[in-house]
Amino acid sequence: KAGVTQTPRYLIKTRGQQVTLSCSPISGHRSVSWYQQTPGQGLQFLFEYFSETQRNKGNFPGRFSGRQFSNSRSEMNVSTLELGDSALYLCASSPTGDEQYFGPGTRLTVT
Amino acid sequence: QKEVEQNSGPLSVPEGAIASLNCTYSDRGSQSFFWYRQYSGKSPELIMFIYSNGDKEDGRFTAQLNKASQYVSLLIRDSQPSDSATYLCAVHRDTDKLIFGTGTRLQVFP
Repeated sequence: KAGVTQTPRYLIKTRGQQVTLSCSPISGHRSVSWYQQTPGQGLQFLFEYFSETQRNKGNFPGRFSGRQFSNSRSEMNVSTLELGDSALYLCASSPTGDEQYFGPGTRLTVT
Repeated sequence: QKEVEQNSGPLSVPEGAIASLNCTYSDRGSQSFFWYRQYSGKSPELIMFIYSNGDKEDGRFTAQLNKASQYVSLLIRDSQPSDSATYLCAVHRDTDKLIFGTGTRLQVFP
């Protein structure tokens, strides 16, 4: 099976802009989770979608949002970007939400 | 108290030795336990999972779980320089989110 894919892989945005990241899960996986990883904070959970419904949510401001489509593909959006949003954004898919398989990530740089 | 705790390291072991990585968790209702390996600049890769008390072996890797002590460990036998990475412990309960530790950096020197 093909692995989790994320697009784009690299992104440079300006403070105040918004960004949309995309994730295609492993075929058959219904759960998609998003994480932010920074050197200082480690891996932080953003949210999880299961069958198009947000099932869990982390402690991030409302500027971070996401959605899942009927084909399990997911997008996350960050509005009004801040310098501190610069990070590696990881998507992970799972058949049930249990063991998760990560994509390669999108590295976002906010200038 | 953090939900999942790991020593940040670095843990330095010579090539060929056994590397022992440890993780404790706070939620007694946790049911599934995972070890991920993350190379610098790469995404985490699932290497082991364990659900029941005791040991689970897969090649050079052994995961050990002790639910009474809320403790899970990963042993890497015959450590190789290519095993040098950060190892993340993760814990899961029901349909709740997967909780990650901050990781232990392992260095295997020739």
